Amino acid sequence: AQSVTQLGSHVSVSEGALVLLRCNYSSSVPPYLFWYVQYPNQGLQLLLKYTTGATLVKGINGFEAEFKKSETSFHLTKPSAHMSDAAEYFCAVSDHTNAGKSTFGDGTTLTVKP
Amino acid sequence: DTGVSQDPRHKITKRGQNVTFRCDPISEHNRLYWYRQTLGQGPEFLTYFQNEAQLEKSRLLSDRFSAERPKGSFSTLEIQRTEQGDSAMYLCASSLVQGYYGYTFGSGTRLTVV
Repeated sequence: AQSVTQLGSHVSVSEGALVLLRCNYSSSVPPYLFWYVQYPNQGLQLLLKYTTGATLVKGINGFEAEFKKSETSFHLTKPSAHMSDAAEYFCAVSDHTNAGKSTFGDGTTLTVKP
Repeated sequence: DTGVSQDPRHKITKRGQNVTFRCDPISEHNRLYWYRQTLGQGPEFLTYFQNEAQLEKSRLLSDRFSAERPKGSFSTLEIQRTEQGDSAMYLCASSLVQGYYGYTFGSGTRLTVV
């Protein structure tokens, strides 16, 4: 069984400040990890993914995430927030033995203050 | 390719009526997933297809829900005898067989049962 916990349902930062969105996962086999972004009334868009190899992965819009197996974490960061980053962010886990089915966290809403 | 398309975008129906949603995935994608999302929650798995075969169905999916993917192309999700608890965003996603590519989501169908 897989699960995802996103710590903090709401995060607020000032424009230009560091963005840090936390994700911890549980998986009985090596996981695939994903971050998605969702804008109001839209579907989810893939930001970045970790499958194997380099543990620091870069995605679109300047976001990156680091896979830390010892901490079962996959936190999402961006050095400098932009107003357009305001959205809801979802962390997801899947494994190669489960037919690619992903389990999602409950999301973190990011607010960016001017 | 225009991505994953869902129709309709919004549906308001009276309790007890049947509704059907359609999803057109990316043509090269073998896998098609249906998820449900309610306010403040992450997407919740409902069912998935590989080509035309429905390979898994969530225990959350009551007998009132049925999904098809004839000829392995578009898919339909039907809800019979709708209840107010069915009100949610229904998301369709598609992917290649290898799960590590992540999903491409449609914009979703928002169902309101009155």
